[in-house]
Amino acid sequence: DAKTTQPPSMDCAEGRAANLPCNHSTISGNEYVYWYRQIHSQGPQYIIHGLKNNETNEMASLIITEDRKSSTLILPHATLRDTAVYYCIAENAGNNRKLIWGLGTSLAVNP
Amino acid sequence: DVKVTQSSRYLVKRTGEKVFLECVQDMDHENMFWYRQDPGLGLRLIYFSYDVKMKEKGDIPEGYSVSREKKERFSLILESASTNQTSMYLCASSLQVGSYGYTFGSGTRLTVV
Repeated sequence: DAKTTQPPSMDCAEGRAANLPCNHSTISGNEYVYWYRQIHSQGPQYIIHGLKNNETNEMASLIITEDRKSSTLILPHATLRDTAVYYCIAENAGNNRKLIWGLGTSLAVNP
Repeated sequence: DVKVTQSSRYLVKRTGEKVFLECVQDMDHENMFWYRQDPGLGLRLIYFSYDVKMKEKGDIPEGYSVSREKKERFSLILESASTNQTSMYLCASSLQVGSYGYTFGSGTRLTVV
């Protein structure tokens, strides 16, 4: 499974877009990129996932580079409630057995 | 609203006790997982199960066992609790085919004294 690299922390002003980068340079062709977030003292929450194309849902947008070696999670209008640790994970969609979790990016949204 | 429910939010146990952590999901998911989370170490997989009565070891199974007698319930057992098992324990479930993400419970913060 591909290893992912994320910055340990980021800041963002409330109301602005938060762009969280993730490097997955060893990702293989059948591995999806998943994003989760974990608000303090809660379990992680699924946000979005994608393979090649950019994806958008009600929570966020996911931009994957053409060579698939990196991606960016975009929270278009960050709120204080988006303060959390964000995890980027690369995993084969056919392997639902387990994910390999790094330490994620701690995002602080400031008023 | 679909859910993964963990039986206790906080738990304090004594060294040497046998501890049961229960997890129930209402989404008819085949896969269920137990993780522990410690500061600076992230989430580490203890055990997982992809079917009733099936189980597989994760990365740190030592000192733990699991039971899955029904599809919706996955129990983590600490045979003889030790202080180094003080941690946040997280249960999760997912579908077998395709991938629509994992759903996690709220976690059980276990303290062993």
